[in-house]
Amino acid sequence: GAGVSQSPRYKVAKRGQDVALRCDPISGHVSLFWYQQALGQGPEFLTYFQNEAQLDKSGLPSDRFFAERPEGSVSTLKIQRTQQEDSAVYLCASSADRVRTYEQYFGPGTRLTVT
Amino acid sequence: DQQVKQNSPSLSVQEGRISILNCDYTNSMFDYFLWYKKYPAEGPTFLISISSIKDKNEDGRFTVFLNKSAKHLSLHIVPSQPGDSAVYFCAAHDFQKLVFGTGTRLLVSP
Repeated sequence: GAGVSQSPRYKVAKRGQDVALRCDPISGHVSLFWYQQALGQGPEFLTYFQNEAQLDKSGLPSDRFFAERPEGSVSTLKIQRTQQEDSAVYLCASSADRVRTYEQYFGPGTRLTVT
Repeated sequence: DQQVKQNSPSLSVQEGRISILNCDYTNSMFDYFLWYKKYPAEGPTFLISISSIKDKNEDGRFTVFLNKSAKHLSLHIVPSQPGDSAVYFCAAHDFQKLVFGTGTRLLVSP
């Protein structure tokens, strides 16, 4: 079956521009996660949805970052007024379970470069 | 402060030998531990997991060992194959999210 897909795969933005990154989770998966992976680091948690409800956004680095999942399937991560430190790979993951969310399936990521 | 640490950034092993990747953690409340494998330009792929109530889990060539008293886990790959060359991330399940280490790059040479 289809895995988690993300688009675009690569995005170059000039400093100050807004960007929107899309995630299509595995069909039927109720839990969705966003992670940020800086160069040479492991993925770091940004935010978590259960269906359309954003239950944890403690990892979002600033109020320039905003995520939504309005119908409980596709999710969008928006970054306003991008800064150079936002350059990273943004990973989306989904999980079928509400509780056993350790079984997370990752998409290929969107590599964001802010110039 | 990093709750999950992989202190070896890289490891080189010959084909057919054992690869041992290590991971340390600080939070005793983690309930599940996982290893992910990552190739360039791809997302992490789940490899093997272990519950905090177990001390060993085996899946084919891959075995994960958990030492709770030392807050240490390791991944053993036997025998190692060139296709195993990738970055390996240790992760811990913390309520809903995963907390990752910084990764170990494994190179298996023929």
